[in-house]
Amino acid sequence: DGGITQSPKYLFRKEGQNVTLSCEQNLNHDAMYWYRQDPGQGLRLIYYSQIVNDFQKGDIAEGYSVSREKKESFPLTVTSAQKNPTAFYLCASSSQKQETQYFGPGTRLLVL
Amino acid sequence: EDQVTQSPEALRLQEGESSSLNCSYTVSGLRGLFWYRQDPGKGPEFLFTLYSAGEEKEKERLKATLTKKESFLHITAPKPEDSATYLCAVQALNKGAQKLVFGQGTRLTINP
Repeated sequence: DGGITQSPKYLFRKEGQNVTLSCEQNLNHDAMYWYRQDPGQGLRLIYYSQIVNDFQKGDIAEGYSVSREKKESFPLTVTSAQKNPTAFYLCASSSQKQETQYFGPGTRLLVL
Repeated sequence: EDQVTQSPEALRLQEGESSSLNCSYTVSGLRGLFWYRQDPGKGPEFLFTLYSAGEEKEKERLKATLTKKESFLHITAPKPEDSATYLCAVQALNKGAQKLVFGQGTRLTINP
């Protein structure tokens, strides 16, 4: 059953703590993306990766970091430098031949 | 700067009452316009891609249309299960890596 999985579903962060959100896909897609969604706002692009071992900053990359060591995986780390991390985080992927991005179920990050 | 504006922000309809959602966009050159459906606490689900003015696509009670400045999502005889937030996004010709710019969404509620 092909798709995108994100874990955990809920994540709690303490002050000064780095946390990592997981994103895995078995669609054989080359490109992967991380978006942030806040109430009443559109999705905003954090980071994206077109191929393994390469990634670029999106519109709101400050306070976040990523890695792309495997085609299937694109983890996002929310660092302590991100002062307003509470949001719904969405991972997406797409193939090079098709523009459509397919989304995972999301991770909700809350600050304690 | 590429921009997407959706209206209305929220819409309440009675079951069977048809209506339309609007997505206005400004982009230097349109590669594609995308519609997604998002249920509360879940990731967006892909609905349609439109590429050129005059194009139309249909799926069950939904029909999406495209002009040079806006797209409409027409909902015919809606049912309560059509209640969701509908997201519109554009992809510009001059932007790499299939970057999407999203509107803030229209929250649709269908009352039985």
